[in-house]
Amino acid sequence: QVQLQESGPGLVKPSETLSLTCTVSGGSISSYYWSWIRQPPGKGLEWIGYIYYTGSTKYNPSLESRVTISEDTSKNQFSLNLRSVTAADTAVYYCAREVVGADTNWFDPWGQGTLVTVSS
Amino acid sequence: SYELTQPPSVSVSPGQTASITCSGDKLGYKSVCWYQQKPGQSPVLVVYQDSKRPSGIPERFSGSNSGNTATLTISGTQAMDEADYYCQAWDSNTAVVFGGGTKLTVL
Repeated sequence: QVQLQESGPGLVKPSETLSLTCTVSGGSISSYYWSWIRQPPGKGLEWIGYIYYTGSTKYNPSLESRVTISEDTSKNQFSLNLRSVTAADTAVYYCAREVVGADTNWFDPWGQGTLVTVSS
Repeated sequence: SYELTQPPSVSVSPGQTASITCSGDKLGYKSVCWYQQKPGQSPVLVVYQDSKRPSGIPERFSGSNSGNTATLTISGTQAMDEADYYCQAWDSNTAVVFGGGTKLTVL
């Protein structure tokens, strides 16, 4: 079955760019939507955005000005860049496959998550 | 922006039925899904499109959605069901919206 694995630095300095990669195994990213979701310590879930295999993207309006999601189909990976980070961006970052239909969506499966701390 | 509201906590005795609610304006017109998250683990989809169960999810998990409230029901609750539960819906303006989460305690 499809499995996802996040990778990237666990510590990022304030004002810098957070960069994470999600590697998909057991299936091709050349179908479905692929998303990033984050969870600050002890808090709830926040959707960051998705990329469709065609390259089209959609972002959470609250983060849109700082976010870019891209893909590398040759490596079966997709990536997250979050610019100008602050301590408020400290969170566990998950990648997930998003199933999208007419006015419906859900996330399944999810990666194991990676904690990114923003601190100098 | 669209908001989903969940009770912070729900308690249930083993073997009893747990009901976790998720409220939002005209939520019954939207498609709702539910995730279970145990401590230190990733969320797991337990219900999608209001009431459908993914493969591998026990039959004791069920969902409904009407009016302004969606409900996740766990029948015959077991100790292993103790977890945080999040509802999620799609909104045409906000895109993806999550509820704040409900901590289910089985005691």
